[in-house]
Amino acid sequence: DVKVTQSSRYLVKRTGEKVFLECVQDMDHENMFWYRQDPGLGLRLIYFSYDVKMKEKGDIPEGYSVSREKKERFSLILESASTNQTSMYLCASSTGTGAPSGYFGPGTRLTVT
Amino acid sequence: AQSVTQLDSQVPVFEEAPVELRCNYSSSVSVYLFWYVQYPNQGLQLLLKYLSGSTLVKGINGFEAEFNKSQTSFHLRKPSVHISDTAEYFCAVTALGNDYKLSFGAGTTVTVRA
Repeated sequence: DVKVTQSSRYLVKRTGEKVFLECVQDMDHENMFWYRQDPGLGLRLIYFSYDVKMKEKGDIPEGYSVSREKKERFSLILESASTNQTSMYLCASSTGTGAPSGYFGPGTRLTVT
Repeated sequence: AQSVTQLDSQVPVFEEAPVELRCNYSSSVSVYLFWYVQYPNQGLQLLLKYLSGSTLVKGINGFEAEFNKSQTSFHLRKPSVHISDTAEYFCAVTALGNDYKLSFGAGTTVTVRA
């Protein structure tokens, strides 16, 4: 069964802390994505990666960075967390061949206080 | 760039009644279209997708959607809903050759009442 897992379901951090969100997929997918979900805004793409060590900015990359050292793992980093980064973060993966379908993790609800 | 507009933010519906969720998209190139469902406190699950071929697409849980290129729409329908269909539904689009980046609508919350 297809699986995307995220390291935490709920996370509370203080303003200014460095925050790591981890995502692992077991489907050998080439593409991985980080989205944030906010009420009334749907999902917005932060960063994506189509290969190991490759990354591309999405629509809202400011304040975030990513790391992909292994094919199955894609990390989202908040260098200095701020309250406006309080949100639900969703990781997804998809195959790089054929038609795309996003497989999503359960999400991490991050609260920055 | 592609964009999606979901025309209804909230749709209340009675159990066993039909439901239609409206989605319009904008793109200057050919697209793939998707509907996802998010149950409370869960991630997104793919309901169905249009890639090519027949414009009527059938998905899981009795949902179907129709691709209308002239009206740039991809409306989702179910003839008879259950309480368990209470969820948030997202329409998404990606352009062919666009690295499979999905652009999502704002979501439609469906609340099914007995």
